[in-house]
Amino acid sequence: GQNIDQPTEMTATEGAIVQINCTYQTSGFNGLFWYQQHAGEAPTFLSYNVLDGLEEKGRFSSFLSRSKGYSYLLLKELQMKDSASYLCAVRSGGYQKVTFGTGTKLQVIP
Amino acid sequence: DTAVSQTPKYLVTQMGNDKSIKCEQNLGHDTMYWYKQDSKKFLKIMFSYNNKELIINETVPNRFSPKSPDKAHLNLHINSLELGDSAVYFCASSHGKLAGAGETQYFGPGTRLLVL
Repeated sequence: GQNIDQPTEMTATEGAIVQINCTYQTSGFNGLFWYQQHAGEAPTFLSYNVLDGLEEKGRFSSFLSRSKGYSYLLLKELQMKDSASYLCAVRSGGYQKVTFGTGTKLQVIP
Repeated sequence: DTAVSQTPKYLVTQMGNDKSIKCEQNLGHDTMYWYKQDSKKFLKIMFSYNNKELIINETVPNRFSPKSPDKAHLNLHINSLELGDSAVYFCASSHGKLAGAGETQYFGPGTRLLVL
């Protein structure tokens, strides 16, 4: 089976940097996704990692360590609109089965 | 143009009824999915189809039956609805079933089902 852990909630200040961690245990690891989900809306894709290291995309970066079963999403220069849930999702096996974590609800305060 | 669309957006019904949710994608993707997101916001895969073939079938009551008439459509029929079926149901699509870099899933807007 799979086990994906994320903090339930985080609070950060506008303009600051926040790091959201995700740890996972799975067999047949085949990639890790981060999605953003605003309240009442659908998840939208943020980043994808399959190799160890850091992937940077504008204000968002995602890091992966396969040996440690660990990833983080780094959000820089936080804006109020970044208040949302951030879902870590792990793909495993040959088919497109993606298992989602329970998500981290981020609140950005002025 | 909406990439992944679902109907209806809201569905309120009585326990014991049978209802269907429809999903369509115009992205030319081969794979489509149904997810259930409960009140605790946990997003759980239910089914996945690749080119009309069922490839993922998680432990879901057999009251739930997916149907894919073609690769652009994936419908979900639910028989004998129960209170615990109340949730948001998301449809999603992606390119294909083979592992590859960046197989992003694109989600529909969700169907909010409330069973009374």
